[in-house]
Amino acid sequence: EAQVTQNPRYLITVTGKKLTVTCSQNMNHEYMSWYRQDPGLGLRQIYYSMNVEVTDKGDVPEGYKVSRKEKRNFPLILESPSPNQTSLYFCASRLYSGTSYEQYFGPGTRLTVT
Amino acid sequence: SQKIEQNSEALNIQEGKTATLTCNYTNYSPAYLQWYRQDPGRGPVFLLLIRENEKEKRKERLKVTFDTTLKQSLFHITASQPADSATYLCAPRGDYGGSQGNLIFGKGTKLSVKP
Repeated sequence: EAQVTQNPRYLITVTGKKLTVTCSQNMNHEYMSWYRQDPGLGLRQIYYSMNVEVTDKGDVPEGYKVSRKEKRNFPLILESPSPNQTSLYFCASRLYSGTSYEQYFGPGTRLTVT
Repeated sequence: SQKIEQNSEALNIQEGKTATLTCNYTNYSPAYLQWYRQDPGRGPVFLLLIRENEKEKRKERLKVTFDTTLKQSLFHITASQPADSATYLCAPRGDYGGSQGNLIFGKGTKLSVKP
């Protein structure tokens, strides 16, 4: 089954404790991205990657890091989480070329930073 | 800067009626626009894509129009059902992210279809 998986699905942590949210896709997609979703603000892109070892900032990259060492994985790293990073996070992937621009989203990770 | 507006936060309609959701964009001309459905606590799911040279696109009970002069897309669900209740997101192409571009998401319209 074609899918994007994220782990963990729920996470409660404390300010300053480094954490990583994993994302993996099994569709051989080149393009992957991370979004956060907050009430009243909608979905905002954090980082994206157009292929292995190619990453770039989205609209709200401050406080986040990413890496793309393998095509299927795109982890999101919070080096020193703060309460304003409490949010619902989504990973997404799609093909980079061709005519199919559909994005596939993961199930989401609900992060609470206290 | 690019701005996306879905001008109804919530829309309540009766089962069997046609739901019409509006998406307006300003300050740019996207090459295409997508619509997604999102259920509570879940990731968005792709519904339809319409390109700037297409006036209308249909898929079963769904219809999307794209008016580049008005800078507006309309999303219609005909013969609506309670199962159509969800939040619908408009997502025009942005101006970065490679040849296909990234997506800029609207805040969504929450549709409730009453039996």
